[in-house]
Amino acid sequence: AQSVTQLGSHVSVSEGALVLLRCNYSSSVPPYLFWYVQYPNQGLQLLLKYTSAATLVKGINGFEAEFKKSETSFHLTKPSAHMSDAAEYFCAVSEKSSASKIIFGSGTRLSIRP
Amino acid sequence: KAGVTQTPRYLIKTRGQQVTLSCSPISGHRSVSWYQQTPGQGLQFLFEYFSETQRNKGNFPGRFSGRQFSNSRSEMNVSTLELGDSALYLCASSLGRLGALTDTQYFGPGTRLTVL
Repeated sequence: AQSVTQLGSHVSVSEGALVLLRCNYSSSVPPYLFWYVQYPNQGLQLLLKYTSAATLVKGINGFEAEFKKSETSFHLTKPSAHMSDAAEYFCAVSEKSSASKIIFGSGTRLSIRP
Repeated sequence: KAGVTQTPRYLIKTRGQQVTLSCSPISGHRSVSWYQQTPGQGLQFLFEYFSETQRNKGNFPGRFSGRQFSNSRSEMNVSTLELGDSALYLCASSLGRLGALTDTQYFGPGTRLTVL
């Protein structure tokens, strides 16, 4: 069965510092991997998606993630945090054969310190 | 192009009642998926409809059901509401092409259901 594990339910960084949100996946078949962001009282917005085309995936708002098969990881990074990045971030996985059924991680709340 | 819309945005019901939530997908999208988000269980997949047929199903009891109309709009119904059904219900739409690298789910703002 597919699953994702997000390490750290809450991450706090200073404005301008590196953002690193960790995600490890478990899948018996090559997966699609995603990062979504959720702002308070809003739905989910896709940040980026891995579909095996390239291991380093660039997304919106300066975020990127690297797919590492040997580590079964898909960590999200951003070189310099901005106050507007404060939100909840979800790592997710789906099977290529069923891309409409997404399994989400438990989420990581990102706080930005001035 | 208009995004995914969900109505109503907020809903308060009492235990034992039933509720119907509505989702209008992005124009041209044929797949609608529903998710439940709670503080305790996180985001969980409920089911997916494609061309008026349920194509995928999560692990929820039969009290949770859905349907899709010919215009791809979808409704989700929960019968005999329980306190634990209080949640944010999100729907997402996509083109629904299986295995397509470029297909992406777009989420609506959600319906917040409170069961008293």
